[in-house]
Amino acid sequence: GEDVEQSLFLSVREGDSSVINCTYTDSSSTYLYWYKQEPGAGLQLLTYIFSNMDMKQDQRLTVLLNKKDKHLSLRIADTQTGDSAIYFCAERDSGNTPLVFGKGTRLSVIA
Amino acid sequence: DTAVSQTPKYLVTQMGNDKSIKCEQNLGHDTMYWYKQDSKKFLKIMFSYNNKELIINETVPNRFSPKSPDKAHLNLHINSLELGDSAVYFCASSQSGSTEAFFGQGTRLTVV
Repeated sequence: GEDVEQSLFLSVREGDSSVINCTYTDSSSTYLYWYKQEPGAGLQLLTYIFSNMDMKQDQRLTVLLNKKDKHLSLRIADTQTGDSAIYFCAERDSGNTPLVFGKGTRLSVIA
Repeated sequence: DTAVSQTPKYLVTQMGNDKSIKCEQNLGHDTMYWYKQDSKKFLKIMFSYNNKELIINETVPNRFSPKSPDKAHLNLHINSLELGDSAVYFCASSQSGSTEAFFGQGTRLTVV
């Protein structure tokens, strides 16, 4: 079955860059996503990338995809305390199949 | 306007009770989902409906029964609640052929 793996914890200093990594097993994944969940809140879509892309940049966020290794990463530049949250990697095959989520990476930003 | 809204946001109930969680989306999407997030924050798909038809039913006890009266609504009814049902339940929606999936704010269910 499909599987998405992430490390569970990451701690960085304010102002540094954060890199959150994710690996997935489903070779037919078409869309790959990063969601953010703040404490007690819902899931906020941060960004997504199509499987035929290598990179996507959106302000402080950079997504890198290595399709050969099935590896996805999210880089947050100039990390702020407000970036402290759980970040979920997710993948899906097509537009109406459900997302398969990783277990989430808890990012702690130290002031 | 909230795109995907769930009610209630919090639900505390006793074991053995029956409860419902409602979900509505105003995005015109044709597919809706229920996810369960456990105490470790792991998110798992429970059900998926496309145009009011059930298309995915993961290994979920049959005490859980989703109902989709129309494309904009997907409600979740739970019978004979158990302690292990305590979790945050998220509703989501998407449109076939489209990239994004939007989530509701979640319903925190606590069974005591």
